[in-house]
Amino acid sequence: GAVVSQHPSWVICKSGTSVKIECRSLDFQATTMFWYRQFPKQSLMLMATSNEGSKATYEQGVEKDKFLINHASLTLSTLTVTSAHPEDSSFYICSASPREGRQETQYFGPGTRLLVL
Amino acid sequence: GEDVEQSLFLSVREGDSSVINCTYTDSSSTYLYWYKQEPGAGLQLLTYIFSNMDMKQDQRLTVLLNKKDKHLSLRIADTQTGDSAIYFCAESGAGGTSYGKLTFGQGTILTVHP
Repeated sequence: GAVVSQHPSWVICKSGTSVKIECRSLDFQATTMFWYRQFPKQSLMLMATSNEGSKATYEQGVEKDKFLINHASLTLSTLTVTSAHPEDSSFYICSASPREGRQETQYFGPGTRLLVL
Repeated sequence: GEDVEQSLFLSVREGDSSVINCTYTDSSSTYLYWYKQEPGAGLQLLTYIFSNMDMKQDQRLTVLLNKKDKHLSLRIADTQTGDSAIYFCAESGAGGTSYGKLTFGQGTILTVHP
């Protein structure tokens, strides 16, 4: 089956540093990748939609200069949290849609837990 | 914007059936999904239903869709302790800028007692 990986699975960093999270589709090509964040005991909130080779589309209220998204290839998208602050601590989950897939197919990564001290 | 609502908690005994309910507001939803999330993990797609269907069955899982009332339910037959998790209902839009974007409910925490 389709597998999506994320790296790292968890990260602890100091306030003010930048953190990069990778999302990879391991056995399929993903035209579109999505980035979500999830606060404890809350639902997933879509942050942005990332299409290979083009700029990401951010949801309302998400700062694009704060959360930099790069989708350089059909198997890799990265999310960089710049100048991270404690309020950025969250669980970040990516998902990927296969290039040849149908709309209903979206595979999720295992998530990256970020803790900013 | 779109809104998806779920009850927050459900507790059942092992062997009983579980029914998790969900309501949504977007009448143009094309697909509706059920995802399972175990502690500290990502989301696992359990099943989905196309909006022109009323019911879909997959082994122990039965999805019922009432499009008129915008109500979706997931029934788990013979619930096991391994089914304890958070279950998310989600819907995706009709296309254009909504293509592939999922709107999630808050999640229902299912606890299965031995």
